[in-house]
Amino acid sequence: EAGVTQFPSHSVIEKGQTVTLRCDPISGHDNLYWYRRVMGKEIKFLLHFVKESKQDESGMPNNRFLAERTGGTYSTLKVQPAELEDSGVYFCASSQASTGLVFASGNTIYFGEGSWLTVV
Amino acid sequence: AQSVTQLDSQVPVFEEAPVELRCNYSSSVSVYLFWYVQYPNQGLQLLLKYLSGSTLVKGINGFEAEFNKSQTSFHLRKPSVHISDTAEYFCAVRPRLSTGGFKTIFGAGTRLFVKA
Repeated sequence: EAGVTQFPSHSVIEKGQTVTLRCDPISGHDNLYWYRRVMGKEIKFLLHFVKESKQDESGMPNNRFLAERTGGTYSTLKVQPAELEDSGVYFCASSQASTGLVFASGNTIYFGEGSWLTVV
Repeated sequence: AQSVTQLDSQVPVFEEAPVELRCNYSSSVSVYLFWYVQYPNQGLQLLLKYLSGSTLVKGINGFEAEFNKSQTSFHLRKPSVHISDTAEYFCAVRPRLSTGGFKTIFGAGTRLFVKA
């Protein structure tokens, strides 16, 4: 079974340009998450999709970031226009749907390899 | 709200020596606990997780962690490290109930350097 896949693995763009990161979750996983780690700091939550709906986007830093998950399958995260401080690694993760209130068996979250973004 | 504190940003250790990476957490709700590892230029990989039951949890690559509820700690240990264990290790928590939210909260990471 394929894991969470992210594309591109590495991207170098100039300040002011646009970059779109793509994430393909594990097949059948309703939950999809975006995280990022900037400049060796903590891994921070960005947002969470349940199928195609945004469940929680409280971690999105500003309106230069736009995430979509049309059809509830893959997701894209667009940064437009990119700034220097956006450099870092963007992780996508997915998990199965929770059954009721309790996360079944810890509802393991599977992470992708990350998309490493450098803005120059 | 939850928070995770990894007490050491870097841990240098000689090969075949034991190592402990410390993690303390704070949460107003009951949480699951995790350790993830990131090898150089790779993604995050789950090392182990504590869900319930025995407080000593065994993971991959010979790592284990012990959940201590009274001290709100979840320290990671390995009795004998290898050069290949050089990586960054992240402690993380996640609410048990969906009413506590869906976010996984990570610590700042501990870089383990294993020297020959």
